[in-house]
Amino acid sequence: DIQMTQSPPSLSASLGETVSIECRASEDIYSNLAWYQQKSGKSPQLLIYYASSLQDGVPSRFSGSGSGTQYSLKISGMQPEDEGVYYCLQGSKYPFTFGSGTKLEIK
Amino acid sequence: EVQLQESGPGLVKPSQSLSLTCSVTGYSITSNSWGWIRKFPGNKMEWIGHMSSSASTSYNPSLIRRISITRDTSKNQFFLQLNSVTTEDTATYYCARSYTTDYYYVMDAWGQGASVTVSS
Repeated sequence: DIQMTQSPPSLSASLGETVSIECRASEDIYSNLAWYQQKSGKSPQLLIYYASSLQDGVPSRFSGSGSGTQYSLKISGMQPEDEGVYYCLQGSKYPFTFGSGTKLEIK
Repeated sequence: EVQLQESGPGLVKPSQSLSLTCSVTGYSITSNSWGWIRKFPGNKMEWIGHMSSSASTSYNPSLIRRISITRDTSKNQFFLQLNSVTTEDTATYYCARSYTTDYYYVMDAWGQGASVTVSS
């Protein structure tokens, strides 16, 4: 299985701060990576697909980048509604695998 | 707008089978792929498997001997059966719509989740 190493496990950010979350794959996943946000008690919501494509309706402060084995999600200007747990998901090879999650809180 | 809703028993005894239903509205399950994901206590997420529009299935090898994903197109529902459950199968189970292009795979619509506890 492809292992997805996600960091950091948790993060606390001030209002307006820029934050980054990283995912490293155990092998090349050819940009076949998505980012999800899960708020407490809700289902995961798709933010980014194909490493850097913004899902319709997602605020432009979210952006994704990366290639090969290294990927990142950036939030440019933390908002209170951005609190939640963030996951990366690789869809390059079965079984698809998730990162371990990053819990993001507002400071 | 597509909507997915999981349903099924919230409590299952060890060694029994877990059966969940995903009811889809606003979109036909004969298009796209439809799958299951679970989230364990402590936040770990696991992809369980999915069924394509042509009804072919792909399963996580860690579960392949115990799972089955089927569908009823007349009801626009698909199903998960997980056999011989243990306490380690306690999780919130989500159904989701997915699609694949030549370059990427994505799950773009999810149900609200069904909490399942395995306990005697």
